[in-house]
Amino acid sequence: DARVTQTPRHKVTEMGQEVTMRCQPILGHNTVFWYRQTMMQGLELLAYFRNRAPLDDSGMPKDRFSAEMPDATLATLKIQPSEPRDSAVYFCASGRYGTGDTEAFFGQGTRLTVV
Amino acid sequence: DQQVKQNSPSLSVQEGRISILNCDYTNSMFDYFLWYKKYPAEGPTFLISISSIKDKNEDGRFTVFLNKSAKHLSLHIVPSQPGDSAVYFCAASGSQGGSEKLVFGKGTKLTVNP
Repeated sequence: DARVTQTPRHKVTEMGQEVTMRCQPILGHNTVFWYRQTMMQGLELLAYFRNRAPLDDSGMPKDRFSAEMPDATLATLKIQPSEPRDSAVYFCASGRYGTGDTEAFFGQGTRLTVV
Repeated sequence: DQQVKQNSPSLSVQEGRISILNCDYTNSMFDYFLWYKKYPAEGPTFLISISSIKDKNEDGRFTVFLNKSAKHLSLHIVPSQPGDSAVYFCAASGSQGGSEKLVFGKGTKLTVNP
């Protein structure tokens, strides 16, 4: 049963600490998205990659957030330094775009709390 | 500036009745629309989609209607079941699903009462 795997599921950290969230996309998917869910903003797109190359990270605060795909099986989202306003659920999703497939598959999310 | 809007934060219906969830969009470049369902502590799961070349797509109890001139789409669930209780997100993208950058609304929480 193919699925997007995110780790950790929950993270509590102190303000100023570095946070790294990891995502294993579904094998064979060529597009990976990072979304953030908050009560106020709903699901916001932070960044996405196609064939491991960043296509758009305009939704991401550049000064503290960074997203990478070291290889096809791993995507990372890093926050340094973290702030309380970063508290949210972060979702990774993957899809096989350009082949006629139409939807993105989401992981279960990482719930981040910055205190 | 929200490009995809779900103006009803919540909706409550009786089991067996119809649920109608609404979504409006502002960007005329959107040409593919999707609905996702989300249970607590889980990621959103794809439910149904529609291309802008159609005005209706049906899958079992779920039907999505698209009115391009009004920039409006709706999801109908008939009959509604208690297991349908979840948050429903409307999403839009800029090319026939082959593109990326799904833009989501803020969601509508549906409660189906037994």
